[in-house]
Amino acid sequence: ETGVTQTPRHLVMGMTNKKSLKCEQHLGHNAMYWYKQSAKKPLELMFVYNFKEQTENNSVPSRFSPECPNSSHLFLHLHTLQPEDSALYLCASSQDAGGAYNEQFFGPGTRLTVL
Amino acid sequence: GQNIDQPTEMTATEGAIVQINCTYQTSGFNGLFWYQQHAGEAPTFLSYNVLDGLEEKGRFSSFLSRSKGYSYLLLKELQMKDSASYLCAALDSNYQLIWGAGTKLIIKP
Repeated sequence: ETGVTQTPRHLVMGMTNKKSLKCEQHLGHNAMYWYKQSAKKPLELMFVYNFKEQTENNSVPSRFSPECPNSSHLFLHLHTLQPEDSALYLCASSQDAGGAYNEQFFGPGTRLTVL
Repeated sequence: GQNIDQPTEMTATEGAIVQINCTYQTSGFNGLFWYQQHAGEAPTFLSYNVLDGLEEKGRFSSFLSRSKGYSYLLLKELQMKDSASYLCAALDSNYQLIWGAGTKLIIKP
């Protein structure tokens, strides 16, 4: 149990659908992250929130829209996705963002398939 | 550009020792992480090195050479449950993690 939960674990959606991924951390952390993990490729950082403020947006297409209502919850809203967006989406949290030693705790991920 | 290199896949025998290498090129350096990720599961933290040398933690050890931009993860007395992907990540000058693609370790009986 890593203290970071994600729902749903699996999601299949069409290109015209709208769906949301949810992440919740029970560790009292102040920073939360969205990553994209594709097979045999490095983890791609998508968004970072530190104390509920978005501090990083790594040139992510606007069809991905993050929301962080409080330090414990993070959402990723999806709309009009493309098949190449199919991947494992990982949420992580850490004490805060930008520290020298900043172990990140990951959730189990949402396996997304876009048809 | 920033880059992390590690082998794509390695195979080792149960009970043996394996060393997974990682080289990094980053804008500044604030430490190196190793994570373990079993198939279908979350990555979990293994180690963090910021000073040169070897850090030992049970069957796992991690080594860092800052001058060479090099790290390795050493796994001793391999068990079947060690079959997983091992992710190397370096913290750059902006405290952003730069990730490698991971090394898939296959343990054979």
